[in-house]
This record gives sequence, structure tokens and C-alpha cells, in this order.
Amino acid sequence: EVQLLESGGNLVPPGGSLRLSCAVSGFTFSNYAMTWVRQAPGKGLEWVSAISATSANIYYTDSVKGRFTISRDNSKNTVYLQMNSLRAEDTALYYCTKGCSVSSCYDYWGQGTLVTVSS
Amino acid sequence: QTVVTQEPSLTVSPGGTVTLTCASSTGAVTSGYYPNWFQQKPGQAPRALIHSTSNKYSWTPARFSGSLLGGKAALTVSGVQPEDEAEYYCLLHQGGVVVFGGGTKLTVL
Repeated sequence: EVQLLESGGNLVPPGGSLRLSCAVSGFTFSNYAMTWVRQAPGKGLEWVSAISATSANIYYTDSVKGRFTISRDNSKNTVYLQMNSLRAEDTALYYCTKGCSVSSCYDYWGQGTLVTVSS
Repeated sequence: QTVVTQEPSLTVSPGGTVTLTCASSTGAVTSGYYPNWFQQKPGQAPRALIHSTSNKYSWTPARFSGSLLGGKAALTVSGVQPEDEAEYYCLLHQGGVVVFGGGTKLTVL
């Protein structure tokens, strides 16, 4: 059974930092890209960042470039999102998803971890 | 920044057919955008329905189908069921940029 378990969400003041983790099981983690997607309260989905299987290719949406860093540890089947200089508009439920391959794309999602940026 | 546009809301009767569309501000959507479709119900994580325009997953009900229609990606639901009431999101890949549409609230009434 495929499982993605996010953790690390919390209440943090503006300008603060947080590191999210996503622990994966049920598929060969080192073979797949991984992605973070967020959803602000009552709003739609927003793609945030992606990392290739070997970490050779990394992508960010414009609004988080220079503030967020995605990384992964294939020995721990875990992907991370380091978030710095947090703003109120970063408040959202952050989902980790399995990335794209020839036969699938974002097919498995975690339940999300809530990040609240507020003083 | 690319904007991906979906109908904000659609209403369909049970047993009916409805088509949701997904347009890109950069022009016609092609298979090279690898359109994806997701269903999200309140309080739940999104569920993948369609990838690469028209490919289904093992869990995707047969009544859901994806296509390209008039320069847009499209999701058609044929024989709508009450449980299909949900928010539907499309996603397009444009080079290194990945963008979700704003979502379509599908009401089954």
C-alpha cells in the first residue's frame, strides 16, 4: 500500500522558518520525482515545487523562489521542503505527491500538513 | 505567469453528461502540456483521475474520460452519479512550470 505521510506543519510568525517532511512507503521512492502542492484555506490547489528522482532537476513556482528549498534523502524515502522568510500568504495545507513518470503523474497524495503564518 | 482557466461551477442532473474544460493563457492546450485531472471532495486530499490527456488510473470510474477539445483539455463525465459532486482541478505542464487551474465546482442536482 502506498503511503505518503507529511509532517512539520505548525504556527509560525511572519519571517519565520519551517521544514516539512514527507515520508514515503509502498513504491520505489528513488525512482520517482516528488512534488509539493499547497492549498490555502478555502482556495484551490497551487503547485509549489518538484524534485527529480536523483535531485538533478529542481523546480519552484515563482512566489517561493529564493525562500523555499526542496530536497530529498533516498536512503530515508523522504522528501523535504525547507521554508524560510515565511509570509501570511504561505498559509496553507501542504501536500506531498508522487511525481510524474511515463505511466502516472501525481497519482498518490498524502493527507497534508498545515502551515499557518501569523503573529 | 501562465494562467489556467476552468469553469468556476457547473450543474448537472444525475445520469446526465457534463464536460469540464481547461484553457491556457499561452494558447491552445496540446498533448505536450500533459493535462491531468483531479477530483477533490471536502476535507479530503485530491484524487488523481486522468493523466497525459486521457489516461486513466485503475481506480478511475469508466464514466470519466479526458480529451482535447477546441484548444482546451477536457474532462467528460458520462452518466453522472451523485457521488461525482466535487471540485475538479486540471493541471498543465509548460516546460519547468506546472500550473493548476482554479477548479470547477460540479454540482449534481
